[in-house]
Amino acid sequence: DQQVKQNSPSLSVQEGRISILNCDYTNSMFDYFLWYKKYPAEGPTFLISISSIKDKNEDGRFTVFLNKSAKHLSLHIVPSQPGDSAVYFCAAMDTGRRALTFGSGTRLQVQP
Amino acid sequence: GAGVSQSPSNKVTEKGKDVELRCDPISGHTALYWYRQRLGQGLEFLIYFQGNSAPDKSGLPSDRFSAERTGESVSTLTIQRTQQEDSAVYLCASSSGVAGGYEQYFGPGTRLTVT
Repeated sequence: DQQVKQNSPSLSVQEGRISILNCDYTNSMFDYFLWYKKYPAEGPTFLISISSIKDKNEDGRFTVFLNKSAKHLSLHIVPSQPGDSAVYFCAAMDTGRRALTFGSGTRLQVQP
Repeated sequence: GAGVSQSPSNKVTEKGKDVELRCDPISGHTALYWYRQRLGQGLEFLIYFQGNSAPDKSGLPSDRFSAERTGESVSTLTIQRTQQEDSAVYLCASSSGVAGGYEQYFGPGTRLTVT
């Protein structure tokens, strides 16, 4: 039973436009959420996170939105750049346990 | 070093052999995690160490898997009598472990291939 789902395996956007990556979760115990970016043959790189007490967190070109009632979060990248092309993983945590539960990832391709 | 390091980067072993994978966390990080990623799948949690507390072993898939950590530094993940389904990238991560320090920082991983 997948507790964290990324239903879009891939996404292609033009350079300069907005990229929106989506994530849904089912476990109501999750109270902290993170996005990671992964290049081939490298470990995941932390991008941005959000606590369940917030609905938005922004860091430069990256913004994460959390809708607790819908159990949905999204990552917005504006403007998208070719260097953003990678696989993006959504992860969720019950802060009482600390282990991360990951989605299956979305491959983002930003076309120049 | 500045980041999490893992060794070896690649390991090929024969079915039935034991393997040891090593992780050096970020200096000062008290929490250490092991995950694995099988081909085409997301990351699966294996085990979590926090300071001197008993580790959370709830993600270990079988008793062939074990891990140790020396104080708040190096950790070793051991897989005994390896099987082909153990083939995966094994990733180690660390975090500060303090309240609110939830972000986990990952190493480059060890790619294990069981033939």
